[in-house]
Amino acid sequence: LAKTTQPISMDSYEGQEVNITCSHNNIATNDYITWYQQFPSQGPRFIIQGYKTKVTNEVASLFIPADRKSSTLSLPRVSLSDTAVYYCLVVPITGGAAGNKLTFGGGTRVLVKP
Amino acid sequence: EAGVAQSPRYKIIEKRQSVAFWCNPISGHATLYWYQQILGQGPKLLIQFQNNGVVDDSQLPKDRFSAERLKGVDSTLKIQPAKLEDSAVYLCASSLNSGTSALEGYFGPGTRLTVL
Repeated sequence: LAKTTQPISMDSYEGQEVNITCSHNNIATNDYITWYQQFPSQGPRFIIQGYKTKVTNEVASLFIPADRKSSTLSLPRVSLSDTAVYYCLVVPITGGAAGNKLTFGGGTRVLVKP
Repeated sequence: EAGVAQSPRYKIIEKRQSVAFWCNPISGHATLYWYQQILGQGPKLLIQFQNNGVVDDSQLPKDRFSAERLKGVDSTLKIQPAKLEDSAVYLCASSLNSGTSALEGYFGPGTRLTVL
C-alpha cells in the first residue's frame, strides 16, 4: 500500500480557500486517491476521489498532477463548520475484495477561525 | 437510505471484563470494516469482511479481539478480556465492492469504549 504524508494541521479563516497537499510517492498504477472528512464525535465521511487531473464536486476539488505522486484537496470559501480532520487515502482498485482496503493515516486538522 | 447502525453508542467497563459491539451495514454492501480510533489518531483498520469471509485481520489482536459476520450482513466485534489501552471509539463502515464504488466507505456513529 502506498504511504501518504500530509501536514498535521492547518489554520484558516472564514471565506478563504484551503488547500491540503498529500504526498504519495510510491503510488501504483491501480491506486486511486480518495479524501475523507471527520468531524469530532463522528465517523469519517467520504468527500471526493480521483485518479488523475482534476475532479470537482459540490464539496471540494481534487487536483492530481500527471505523475500522481501528490494530490491537493481544495476547499473553497471555508466556513467555521469546515473545521475537521481531513484524511488522504490511496486505495488500490484491483477488482477483487482484497484490494479495496481503506487505510487511514493521521490526517490534517483544519481549524477555521472567524 | 438508512446509514450504518452501531450499538451501543457508549460503553464503560472495567479491565478484564468482556464487551461486544454490533454493526448493521447499509443494505447491499458486501464489504464491512471495523476500525479502532484512539483519541487524536486516525482510524486503525482491525478487520475487513467481504460478505461473511475475512479479507484482512492482520491488525486485529487475536488474543483478545474477535469478530464475525456469520450471514454476511450484520457483524459483532468482541473484546475479551479488555485492557485499559482498548479505550477508544470503535467504528464500523461498509461499502460496495465494485470498482470505484469501493472507495466510498460509509461510517457508523461509532461506539465509545472506556475501560477503567
